[in-house]
Order: sequence, then structure tokens, then C-alpha cells
Amino acid sequence: EAGVVQSPRYKIIEKKQPVAFWCNPISGHNTLYWYRQNLGQGPELLIRYENEEAVDDSQLPKDRFSAERLKGVDSTLKIQPAELGDSAVYLCASSPTGYNSPLHFGNGTRLTVT
Amino acid sequence: SQQGEEDPQALSIQEGENATMNCSYKTSINNLQWYRQNSGRGLVHLILIRSNEREKHSGRLRVTLDTSKKSSSLLITASRAADTASYFCAITSTKDTGKLIFGQGTTLQVKP
Repeated sequence: EAGVVQSPRYKIIEKKQPVAFWCNPISGHNTLYWYRQNLGQGPELLIRYENEEAVDDSQLPKDRFSAERLKGVDSTLKIQPAELGDSAVYLCASSPTGYNSPLHFGNGTRLTVT
Repeated sequence: SQQGEEDPQALSIQEGENATMNCSYKTSINNLQWYRQNSGRGLVHLILIRSNEREKHSGRLRVTLDTSKKSSSLLITASRAADTASYFCAITSTKDTGKLIFGQGTTLQVKP
């Protein structure tokens, strides 16, 4: 099966600019996650979708971050405006429904804000 | 924090040796999972162990879980240079079964 696909792989922007990340999950996976991983740290959950519904966005900085998952498949994560502290790797993952299902991760987008 | 805490933060061993990584957590869990991350890549799932299980094996990997001590360990036997990566434990708590919370990871270097 095809894995989770993320694009772009790398993005360098100046602070205050907008940026968007795209994720295509594994076909049939109802649950989609966006994680942020800072250097040397574990991933931190930003938002979790069950189909089209965002069921956990408590960790998403809503003043500048937004996400959507149209038709319950692809998802985009946007930052506007970006700040220096947003530099990190943004990981998308998907899983079948159910908490005993392992997550399948994409290779992430490395964002550098200058 | 509910997240898993890994120990040690970094581990360096020779090829052929065993590597043991430990994970502690603070909350009641439904399951605990271990993931591997190679440099510049996404995380890859290794093993999931449910709260009512004590030990699981997968190839050269052995995971134990002690819910009374709120701890788990990952043993990699006969390590290879290709095992060089960061290893993360992650928990699904009983309070929020949909959320997988990761620890800070152990960086393993296996020298050829």
C-alpha cells in the first residue's frame, strides 16, 4: 500500500509570511493527525481528525494555525503569519479508526523560518 | 505530563551488543507503542503492547510492560549498524483513547 505522502519536504520562509503543508493519508484511514516535532524532541500533537471532523485541536495555536480536511481525505495545515519559533518538522500520520491501531507517518515537512 | 519519559537519552553500543531503552509514564494506559525514527524521516511503528499484556516479541525486538510501575522497556538484541535511529515510546491513556502522546526519545548509535 502507498504510504502517507507529505509535501513539500522542505520549506524556508521569512517570518510573517504564510506557509501551507499538504498531507495525503493512506487510503481507507479515517483518522488523520498533524504533529509538530522540534529538534531533539518527540512529536507533539497539533490536531486530530476523525473523517472530516476535528475531534482534538486543543494544542493548535488557533491565532495563527489553521487546518482542514476536506471530504475526509487530504488535509492541509496552514500557518499565517509564521514566527521564528515555528521552525520545526511537521509530521502527518494516519490510522484506521480505533486506539489500538498504530500510526503511519509521512516523512514530514521541515520548516525553517528566518 | 502524561507523556512517556525515556531513559537513557542517548546510547552508544557496538554492533552485536544488546540495547535496552526504558520508558516511564504517569497515567493509566490502554496501550503503549514503540516507534523508530531514522534521521530526516518519519516515525515507523515497531510494537504495540496492550495494558493487559506483559511482554511482546517481534524479530529481534522484545518489549515488556509493567503497569504497576508504569514503565516499559524495549530490548534490541544483536544490534546492527542499521538500528542506529531514535526510538520513541508513546502512550494512549484511558482518559483520552484517541490521543497518542510521545516521549522525548532515546538516540541509539550502533557502531560497526
